[in-house]
Amino acid sequence: GQQVMQIPQYQHVQEGEDFTTYCNSSTTLSNIQWYKQRPGGHPVFLIQLVKSGEVKKQKRLTFQFGEAKKNSSLHITATQTTDVGTYFCAGRASGGGYNKLIFGAGTRLAVHP
Amino acid sequence: NAGVMQNPRHLVRRRGQEARLRCSPMKGHSHVYWYRQLPEEGLKFMVYLQKENIIDESGMPKERFSAEFPKEGPSILRIQQVVRGDSAAYFCASSLLTGLSNEQFFGPGTRLTVL
Repeated sequence: GQQVMQIPQYQHVQEGEDFTTYCNSSTTLSNIQWYKQRPGGHPVFLIQLVKSGEVKKQKRLTFQFGEAKKNSSLHITATQTTDVGTYFCAGRASGGGYNKLIFGAGTRLAVHP
Repeated sequence: NAGVMQNPRHLVRRRGQEARLRCSPMKGHSHVYWYRQLPEEGLKFMVYLQKENIIDESGMPKERFSAEFPKEGPSILRIQQVVRGDSAAYFCASSLLTGLSNEQFFGPGTRLTVL
């Protein structure tokens, strides 16, 4: 079945350093979504990417969707303590009909002041 | 516009008891998804429901677990004869549409502890 792998599992950075998490799917995706979950909280939708090679930015966050639509990345520039949390990618397989979201295991980001 | 609501937020059960978790989707949303999250792990899909229909239950254990989304009222995830391994956070999410462009709105979750 479809699998979505995410690396690294954990990342510790000093405040001000950059951070990147990578997501790889075993199958071609129709779209990919990114979510953030703060400690003790629930996942919150960040963005969706649909087009091959798409790049989207939200302030210090840059999201990319690979040309083959099988991988994606989230890059945070100059991390802040408010960026702490777990970042999940979630992929939807391409094809007709209903396709559920498959979540990666997440990357837990710790930011040290 | 209220978000996705789940109750209870915390639930403690002894082994062998039943756990009932409730989820009210966002207003206007007719698609509900249940996920399980073990401590420090990712979200594992359990079941996808529309009103009165189970669309995909491929992530649900075959025994002791059931889910429903009646015409009126919240969606219910029911776990019978709970075991310690059922201890986890259970998140419900809802969406407006299914298909290519829909985001899922998550509720605050129910933290189930089985003693």
